[in-house]
Amino acid sequence: QQPVQSPQAVILREGEDAVINCSSSKALYSVHWYRQKHGEAPVFLMILLKGGEQKGHDKISASFNEKKQQSSLYLTASQLSYSGTYFCGTAGNQGGKLIFGQGTELSVKP
Amino acid sequence: EAGVAQSPRYKIIEKRQSVAFWCNPISGHATLYWYQQILGQGPKLLIQFQNNGVVDDSQLPKDRFSAERLKGVDSTLKIQPAKLEDSAVYLCASSSIKKGQGTSYEQYFGPGTRLTVT
Repeated sequence: QQPVQSPQAVILREGEDAVINCSSSKALYSVHWYRQKHGEAPVFLMILLKGGEQKGHDKISASFNEKKQQSSLYLTASQLSYSGTYFCGTAGNQGGKLIFGQGTELSVKP
Repeated sequence: EAGVAQSPRYKIIEKRQSVAFWCNPISGHATLYWYQQILGQGPKLLIQFQNNGVVDDSQLPKDRFSAERLKGVDSTLKIQPAKLEDSAVYLCASSSIKKGQGTSYEQYFGPGTRLTVT
C-alpha cells in the first residue's frame, strides 16, 4: 500500500519553515526520506526506525509516530538548495522492500 | 567511496525492440535493487537481490522484464519487447546492513537510465 504524502507541493521563501507528512495504512518498521532534484537520482536524507525516534542533521529533522503510522519531515530556515521533490519510503518489516510515496515538490524562492 | 554506476544514461528505442541496462553497486553492498520511476511518481521496486539471489520480484512484469546478478556484484535489467508504457527512468540502488539500534538498510541510488520508447 503506497504511503500518502502531504502536501503535494509547497512554495517557500528562503528562511521559511516547512513540514512534509507521510502516512501509511499499514504498520511500519521504518521510514526513509529522500530528496530528488530534477533529472538526478534520489539522495538519502535519513531513516527512522520503529520506536518513535526523532532524527536530524543540520536544519532538516524528522519524526516517526509508530502508533499513528506517520512520519513528518521538518525543514527549518529553508535554503535554496532545499528545492526538489521529497519522497518518503516505508517498509513494513526489517529489510522489507520500500514503497515510496508520490512525492512532495518543494520550491524555495529567494 | 565510488557510488552506484549505471549505463547507459539515456536510451531511445522503438516499441517491440529490446534494451538492457547495467548497474554496478557500491563495493561491498550485498543488496541491489532495480526501480522504475515514471515521470511525476515515486520509484517503484521491480526486483531486489541479496548477493546473487532474488529476494523480491513481485512487481517485475516477467513476461517482458528479466534481471540477473551473476557473481553477486553487478547486474543487468532487460526489457524484451518494450512497450510505450515502459518509458521511465530505471534506477539502480544498493545497500548494506547497518546494525545497531535497529537494523537499517539505507539505499544509495545511481544516476539512472532514462528510457524513451517510441
